[in-house]
Amino acid sequence: EVQLVESGGGLVQPGGSLRLSCAASGFTFSSYEMNWVRQAPGKGLEWVSYISSSGSTIYYADSVKGRFTISRDNAKNSLYLQMNSLRAEDTAVYYCARDSYYYDSSGYYMSSHCYDYWGQGTLVTVSS
Amino acid sequence: QSALTQPASVSGSPGQSITISCTGTSSDVGGYNYVSWYQQHPGKAPKLMIYEVSNRPSGVSNRFSGSKSGNTASLTISGLQAEDEADYYCSSYTSSSTKVFGTGTKVTVL
Repeated sequence: EVQLVESGGGLVQPGGSLRLSCAASGFTFSSYEMNWVRQAPGKGLEWVSYISSSGSTIYYADSVKGRFTISRDNAKNSLYLQMNSLRAEDTAVYYCARDSYYYDSSGYYMSSHCYDYWGQGTLVTVSS
Repeated sequence: QSALTQPASVSGSPGQSITISCTGTSSDVGGYNYVSWYQQHPGKAPKLMIYEVSNRPSGVSNRFSGSKSGNTASLTISGLQAEDEADYYCSSYTSSSTKVFGTGTKVTVL
């Protein structure tokens, strides 16, 4: 069974830092691209960051670029999000989400560009 | 990257069909067949309902279907049931190699 379990959330003051973790199990973690997605209280979903299966390709939303750092440890089946210079508007539930892929009839890797599994989320509150 | 546009709310009676629209641009929805839809019940994580415009993951009811025309994608729920009451979000791959979500639609079963 695929499982994604986030941890590390909590209350932090503006300007502070926090490191989120996502422990993966039930699948070959090193084969999958991963993402962080957040949801502010009562608001919609917002993609935050993406990392390729090897960690060589990384993207960030403009809202977090320069402040957040995504990383992964395939040996530990874990995904991370280092969050620095936190602001009140970063308050949200943070989800890790797995990208889906398949191999086509010619054996080529094809991403479905969708999130097929999600963790339960971890709440980050930025407040003084 | 601006969020895709969805109606804030859609409602229907049990057994009816409803359709949720998701409007983007030629740089996202219109440019790729990588539109997906997610269902989210209160306090729960989102669940994938449709991927690649019209494909259903294993285990998702065939009452859910997706389509796309130009820059607008749509999710149709037929035979509406009380359990379908939830928030729904579309998502699309973009020309920036990232993905963007829609603004979200609250579905109410009357």
